[in-house]
Amino acid sequence: DTGVSQNPRHKITKRGQNVTFRCDPISEHNRLYWYRQTLGQGPEFLTYFQNEAQLEKSRLLSDRFSAERPKGSFSTLEIQRTEQGDSAMYLCASSPTSGGESYEQYFGPGTRLTVT
Amino acid sequence: AQKITQTQPGMFVQEKEAVTLDCTYDTSDQSYGLFWYKQPSSGEMIFLIYQGSYDEQNATEGRYSLNFQKARKSANLVISASQLGDSAMYFCAMRGIGGLTFGKGTHLIIQP
Repeated sequence: DTGVSQNPRHKITKRGQNVTFRCDPISEHNRLYWYRQTLGQGPEFLTYFQNEAQLEKSRLLSDRFSAERPKGSFSTLEIQRTEQGDSAMYLCASSPTSGGESYEQYFGPGTRLTVT
Repeated sequence: AQKITQTQPGMFVQEKEAVTLDCTYDTSDQSYGLFWYKQPSSGEMIFLIYQGSYDEQNATEGRYSLNFQKARKSANLVISASQLGDSAMYFCAMRGIGGLTFGKGTHLIIQP
C-alpha cells in the first residue's frame, strides 16, 4: 500500500537556517496540499497544486515559504531563514479529482519541525 | 469565509457507549463538503467520513455516522459502540476553495 509519504519525519534546525521538506503523494492523485499544524490546533491550509500548477496560496504562506511540484508528482516545501514561530507539524495530503471536484484528502505522517 | 466550530475540547466516554462529537459550520457557499478526520497520538490524519451538502441521506461508514442538519449548520459525528482504540483527536473540516478548513478538534478518551 503506497500512501502519502513525507521526509524527513523530524527536523531540528537553528533559527535562520533554511529547511526543505519532501512529500510523495499517492501516485494517481493529481491534487497535492500542504498544511501546518501547531500544538492544540487543527491543521491550517498553506497551499495546493493541481498537477504541477500551484493554484492557491494561503496568506499564512509568507515570502519565506515556497512550494514546488515540478513534474506533477512529488512536492517540496522550503522555508528560508527559519524563525521559532515556524516550529510546527507540516502535513502533506493528496486527493483525486472527479468532475473537477476533490473529495477526501489522504494525509501523510507529517514532518515535525523544531526551530531552536 | 468559512468557519468550523467544535465546542468540546475534551470528552471522556465509557467503552461500548455511543458518543456524539459536535461540529457547527458557517459558509456562504451553496455547495460544500464536510469531513471528519481522526488523529491518534502517532500524528497521522485518518479520513473517517464525508457528507456533501446536497446529499439527502446522512453518511455512514461502519461505526461512524454523520448527523447532518443543514438548517442548523451542524454536522455531528456519531461513533457507535466506542472502543479503546477510538481514543484520539477528532477534527471536523469543510472543503474550501483550496484546502480544508479545520476546527480546533475534540480530544476523545475512551475509558475501560
